[in-house]
Amino acid sequence: KAGVTQTPRYLIKTRGQQVTLSCSPISGHRSVSWYQQTPGQGLQFLFEYFSETQRNKGNFPGRFSGRQFSNSRSEMNVSTLELGDSALYLCASSLAGGVLSYEQYFGPGTRLTVT
Amino acid sequence: QKEVEQNSGPLSVPEGAIASLNCTYSDRVSQSFFWYRQYSGKSPELIMSIYSNGDKEDGRFTAQLNKASQYVSLLIRDSQPSDSATYLCAVNLLNQGGKLIFGQGTELSVKP
Repeated sequence: KAGVTQTPRYLIKTRGQQVTLSCSPISGHRSVSWYQQTPGQGLQFLFEYFSETQRNKGNFPGRFSGRQFSNSRSEMNVSTLELGDSALYLCASSLAGGVLSYEQYFGPGTRLTVT
Repeated sequence: QKEVEQNSGPLSVPEGAIASLNCTYSDRVSQSFFWYRQYSGKSPELIMSIYSNGDKEDGRFTAQLNKASQYVSLLIRDSQPSDSATYLCAVNLLNQGGKLIFGQGTELSVKP
């Protein structure tokens, strides 16, 4: 089975711009979660989508948003980029059914640099 | 108190020794616990999941869960230099709708 894929792998943006990141989950997985990882804050939960609905949300400003499509692919968007948004953005997928639904598998991540 | 806490390390062990990594969590009703390994510059890789009290073994890895003490640990037997990585503990917080919350990670260094 193919793993979780994320595009693009690297991005350089300027302050004030917006960015859209994409994630394709493992085939059959219906839940997609997004995380931000920085050296100082570690791995922080952004949001989770299941069946095109946001099921959970972390403590991030409204500039961070996401969506999920009917094929379970997901996108996250960051508007009005700030220098502090520079991070590794990780997407993880899970089956979202029963106890094992919470075994999440990560994609390779998108490294975002804001200048 | 942080929801999931780990010793940040670094933890240094000689090759062939047992490495012991610890994690405590705050949510008493949590039911799902995970250990991830992250090499520098890579994404986290799931290595163990545990759902009930006791030990769970997979090769050189043993996860131990004690729900009464809200404590989960990972033992790595016969540590190898290739085990050098950051180990992340993650807990599914049922009281927050099932969010998966990660600890800060413990950096492990296995010296040849």
